[in-house]
Parts: sequence; C-alpha cells; structure tokens
Amino acid sequence: GAGVSQTPSNKVTEKGKYVELRCDPISGHTALYWYRQSLGQGPEFLIYFQGTGAADDSGLPNDRFFAVRPEGSVSTLKIQRTERGDSAVYLCASSLSSPGTSVEQYFGPGTRLTVT
Amino acid sequence: GQQVMQIPQYQHVQEGEDFTTYCNSSTTLSNIQWYKQRPGGHPVFLIQLVKSGEVKKQKRLTFQFGEAKKNSSLHITATQTTDVGTYFCAGRGSGGSNYKLTFGKGTLLTVNP
Repeated sequence: GAGVSQTPSNKVTEKGKYVELRCDPISGHTALYWYRQSLGQGPEFLIYFQGTGAADDSGLPNDRFFAVRPEGSVSTLKIQRTERGDSAVYLCASSLSSPGTSVEQYFGPGTRLTVT
Repeated sequence: GQQVMQIPQYQHVQEGEDFTTYCNSSTTLSNIQWYKQRPGGHPVFLIQLVKSGEVKKQKRLTFQFGEAKKNSSLHITATQTTDVGTYFCAGRGSGGSNYKLTFGKGTLLTVNP
C-alpha cells in the first residue's frame, strides 16, 4: 500500500515568509509525528498527534511553529516568519501506536526547506 | 531531558569487514529502536528491543539491549556495499512520554568494495 507522503519535496522561501508543509500518513495510522533533521544530525522530535489532538508539542522550537491535524489524517506544519535557521529537512512519520504501546514509525520522504 | 549518544560518528570499512555502532542513553529506556537511512533517503525501521539484555538477529545484523536498558549496539558481520547508510538508534523513555523517540546523531557507514 501507499506509504507516508509529504509535499512539497522541496521548498525555497525568503526569510520572513510563511510556509506550510503537508503530511499524508498511512491510512489507518492514528499516530503522527513531525521531526526536523539537520545535516549530520538525527531526527529531532517536534510534535506528536494522536488522532486530531496534539498530544505533545514540546519539541516545537518556538511559537512561530504550529501544526494541525483537523480530521485525524492529513497534517500541516506551519512556520511563520521563517528564519535561515529553520532550514532543514522536515520529516513526518506515522504509526499504529497509541499512548502506552510502542511500534515502528514509518517515515515519509521529507520536505527540504531552504530559507534564503 | 533525555539524551542519546551514538559512537562512532563515522565508520569506513572494507567490504567483508565487521562493523559495530554503540548507543548510550542518559536515562533508562522503555525500549529502543534502530533505523537505517540511506544517502538522500528517509529513516527506515530495522528493529525494536524491549527486554533487558535482549539480543535479536536479522541475517548479518545483531542487535543488543543492555541489562540496564540504557545502552544498545548494532553489529554487522561481513559488511556489503548495500549496508552503506546512516544507522540511528532511537530511545523511548519510560513513564508518561513513552511515545516519544529521541534519536542519536547516527553512525555513517561507508563500505569500500
């Protein structure tokens, strides 16, 4: 079946602009995660959704970052007033897990964000 | 907060040689997962270890979870060029935040044919 998809694959934006990154998880996966990966680093946790609600947003760097998952499927990561330091690959992952269980996460191909 | 350290950062081997990467957590983990990321690709799940002292094998790959559930290792026997990539461990804490994975920085493996 289809895996996790993310759009766009690449996004170049100017400093100060607003961007939206989309994630389409595997059908039926209730858990959805956003990570940020910089060059030479491991994925860094940003936010976790269980269904429609953000169960943990403790990884969001500041209030310029926001994410939604209104119908419990597709999620959008929104970044306001982008800064050059926001440049990274943004990864989305989904899984069947719910709090208390622990299963593998399926990652999407990522969106490479470049802020000029 | 929880930190996961991984060594070495890089490892270059000749095809046929063995390879090991080590992972250490600052806190006790409920479980640990290993992922492989090929150059230009995304992380792909390899395995999950849950029990203290657990050892699992996948063909030429052997995964271990320490007795204290704070460290883990991945050993590849007789590397092949298809093993090239970055190997990440990812620890899941115990208690209320047990859905959250903390990744190490990874070990980049290159294999000379």
